[in-house]
Amino acid sequence: DAKTTQPNSMESNEEEPVHLPCNHSTISGTDYIHWYRQLPSQGPEYVIHGLTSNVNNRMASLAIAEDRKSSTLILHRATLRDAAVYYCILRDVGEYGNKLVFGAGTILRVKS
Amino acid sequence: SQTIHQWPATLVQPVGSPLSLECTVEGTSNPNLYWYRQAAGRGLQLLFYSVGIGQISSEVPQNLSASRPQDRQFILSSKKLLLSDSGFYLCAWSNKRLNTEAFFGQGTRLTVV
Repeated sequence: DAKTTQPNSMESNEEEPVHLPCNHSTISGTDYIHWYRQLPSQGPEYVIHGLTSNVNNRMASLAIAEDRKSSTLILHRATLRDAAVYYCILRDVGEYGNKLVFGAGTILRVKS
Repeated sequence: SQTIHQWPATLVQPVGSPLSLECTVEGTSNPNLYWYRQAAGRGLQLLFYSVGIGQISSEVPQNLSASRPQDRQFILSSKKLLLSDSGFYLCAWSNKRLNTEAFFGQGTRLTVV
């Protein structure tokens, strides 16, 4: 089962920053926080991941709380192409080891 | 570079027919491999994951099976398709520790008629 909690949906205006929150209160010390997004009719696309420090890449920034129980994905200037479902994921552990399990994610709507 | 191949892109099959979807990975060794299904308007459901040849975990009760005949090959099968097997099937791979990004195939849209 997914170990993260995200809002069902969020809305943003084009060209404005977007902050997508994620709670992961049961995170362990070695769990990386992953973010993926899925555009309609496509497979998930990697966005960013991090362990403890804040991370930046060309797509987004990831701000990780000091206690690591929450994180925020930051899109600095939302465009219409950023409208997607955003998933915050931690590793899950199954019978044979680590696995990647998706929750419901946050539907991001971007208004022009 | 690391790539993942999944085919076919679309498939229409009659109820009761068999199914075989293949996924192969390049540029890595000993990956974790995954099969997901997404029904229309729903989230990604993990069907199977494998940490190695012969080590496959079925995550949900279903009409499907998975096999891993080679380290970088993952196959999803069914002997007799049901209408409820329709959906978008995705193959993916990750490393064992899940400390780097996972990679997803382009998906197969299966319609059972």
